[in-house]
Amino acid sequence: AQKITQTQPGMFVQEKEAVTLDCTYDTSDPSYGLFWYKQPSSGEMIFLIYQGSYDQQNATEGRYSLNFQKARKSANLVISASQLGDSAMYFCAMRGTNSGGGADGLTFGKGTHLIIQP
Amino acid sequence: EAGVVQSPRYKIIEKKQPVAFWCNPISGHNTLYWYLQNLGQGPELLIRYENEEAVDDSQLPKDRFSAERLKGVDSTLKIQPAELGDSAVYLCASSSGIGGYNEQFFGPGTRLTVL
Repeated sequence: AQKITQTQPGMFVQEKEAVTLDCTYDTSDPSYGLFWYKQPSSGEMIFLIYQGSYDQQNATEGRYSLNFQKARKSANLVISASQLGDSAMYFCAMRGTNSGGGADGLTFGKGTHLIIQP
Repeated sequence: EAGVVQSPRYKIIEKKQPVAFWCNPISGHNTLYWYLQNLGQGPELLIRYENEEAVDDSQLPKDRFSAERLKGVDSTLKIQPAELGDSAVYLCASSSGIGGYNEQFFGPGTRLTVL
C-alpha cells in the first residue's frame, strides 16, 4: 500500500520569501511517480510538478522545484520568491504502476494550507 | 483544448434521495478517475476506468455507489440512497493512460451537500 505524509497542516510565509512544503512517502513499488498539486479556494486541482522515481535530477518548473531524496523517501516542494497568489492548499501525491503497466490513481496526502502574508 | 467538464457544480439534496454526477474528460483521454474529497482532506480514489472498463473499483462503496462509462468517453457517478456522510466534493480526472509522466487533469468538482 502507498502512503503520503504531509506533516505541516498550515504555514504562514512572508511574501517574496522561499517556502518548503514537506512530503514523505512509503511504497513497495520499484517504479513510482510523485506529484504536487495546488488547490486554491475555488477548488480546482492545479498540477505543479512531477518527479519520477528513476529521474536522476530534481524536477524544476519555474518557481517550483522538488527536493527529491529517494533514500529518505521525501519529496519536498520548494517555492521560490513566494507571491500572494500562492496562497492555497498544496497536496503531495504518488502514483504507482499496476501490474498491467498502466497508471494507477493517485494517493494524496492531507495537504498543507499555505498562506502568503504581504 | 477544453478541460475536464463536470456537472452540476453544486448539488443539495435530502438524505435518502438519489444523486448523479456527470463528467466529460479531455478529448482522447482513455483513462478516467473519480475521486472523493472530504473537507480538509486530500482526494481519495473511488474508481478508475480504462476506456469503458472499470479496472480499479476497490474503493467504491458498492452498496450505494455506482458508476458507468458506457462508450468510453463521458462517465456518470451515482449515489442511491445518499447519506449525510456523503457530503463532499466529487472530482473527476482524466489522463492519456500512457505510462511514465501521465499527468492527471482534474475537473472543477461537484460539491454535494446532503441534508
